[in-house]
Amino acid sequence: QVQLQESGPGLVNPSGTLSLTCAVSGDSISSNWWSWVRQPPGEGLEWIGQLHHSGSTNSNPSLKSRVTISVDRSKNQFSLMLTSVTAADTAVYYCVRNWYFAFDIWGQGTMVTVSS
Amino acid sequence: QSALTQPRSASGSPGQSVTISCTGTSSDVGGYNYVSWFQHHPGKVPKLMIFDVSNRPSGVPDRFSGSKSGNTASLTISGLQAEDEADYYCCSYADNSYVFGTGTKVTVL
Repeated sequence: QVQLQESGPGLVNPSGTLSLTCAVSGDSISSNWWSWVRQPPGEGLEWIGQLHHSGSTNSNPSLKSRVTISVDRSKNQFSLMLTSVTAADTAVYYCVRNWYFAFDIWGQGTMVTVSS
Repeated sequence: QSALTQPRSASGSPGQSVTISCTGTSSDVGGYNYVSWFQHHPGKVPKLMIFDVSNRPSGVPDRFSGSKSGNTASLTISGLQAEDEADYYCCSYADNSYVFGTGTKVTVL
């Protein structure tokens, strides 16, 4: 049974950096592409970016300059960094497994609030 | 990259059918047969219902079906049931990225 678990600070200061990690169990990080998706309160889903175990990444053009997604194959996990955050980055952040050209396995999600 | 356009809401009585549209452009929905649909109950994790326009993952009831014509994809829920009340999002691949729809709240009357 494949499971994804997000972890990281729930509160980030404005202009700071949001950092999250996704631990993968039941599957190898080397077997798929992996993505981050977020949902601001009361709003819809937004794709942030994706990662291949080789290190290749793609990001949402609207966030591209602020997003870094990386992999730690030894720990079977991948991470998200989002710089220069504002209140607009307050959201539930999900890590997900890409499957075909969709997302079949989702983490439980972690709420991140940007506030001083 | 703009969000795909979905109606804000849709509704139907138990047993009826409801269809949700998802309109994009030739750069996303119209350019690829890679539209997916997600069901999201508030407070829960989104669930994949349809992938590659019209394919259902194992375990998804055949009451859920997907289609596409030009730049518009559609999700149809037949034989509406109370547990189908949720938010639904479409998503399309778009040249090394993905774009979600604005979301539709389905209400079972």
